[in-house]
Amino acid sequence: SQQGEEDPQALSIQEGENATMNCSYKTSINNLQWYRQNSGRGLVHLILIRSNEREKHSGRLRVTLDTSKKSSSLLITASRAADTASYFCATGRYYGQNFVFGPGTRLSVLP
Amino acid sequence: DVKVTQSSRYLVKRTGEKVFLECVQDMDHENMFWYRQDPGLGLRLIYFSYDVKMKEKGDIPEGYSVSREKKERFSLILESASTNQTSMYLCASSFAQRGGTQYFGPGTRLLVL
Repeated sequence: SQQGEEDPQALSIQEGENATMNCSYKTSINNLQWYRQNSGRGLVHLILIRSNEREKHSGRLRVTLDTSKKSSSLLITASRAADTASYFCATGRYYGQNFVFGPGTRLSVLP
Repeated sequence: DVKVTQSSRYLVKRTGEKVFLECVQDMDHENMFWYRQDPGLGLRLIYFSYDVKMKEKGDIPEGYSVSREKKERFSLILESASTNQTSMYLCASSFAQRGGTQYFGPGTRLLVL
């Protein structure tokens, strides 16, 4: 079974609105990472949050981590059409590396 | 700038053919990975390598093999391609540190007829 599961599977918002995606996982982790994938392309790393951190910011991105609930959220503020992509969370398993990706959240930002 | 390249963006092969997918990274990363991505299933790890000539099975290694003769190059081999191996194949690399960020290639979309 997959370690990370994103929710919702798909999200559609207007430009300028905030987008929130959630990730749940099952076992203990060293860190959790979020990646973005534009259609038909490879994944791009967005942000990493360590298990001893609760919140992290990077530009318009805000990630939270709740290890007691085994969940994380990714917030994109003031969304743009260019944010349209699939977003994946990834959690470490083998030797602390990030091997397990969830099925992703497909975000559509409408102009 | 970080660079992971894959030998082909699109590939069409026939059932039973032997298929080679190559991945090259220029970042001196110890770890390299092969994933396949299918709609609704996300990325699934096929094989990974943490050093030259070393390999470990991922979640779905059946029907695949890998080769890592040089640090910068990691090859995925489909010994006898089947239609259920039609997929997007993604290569990634990372440093060996715990939780190292993975850098992905652009992907190879393989169609097996």
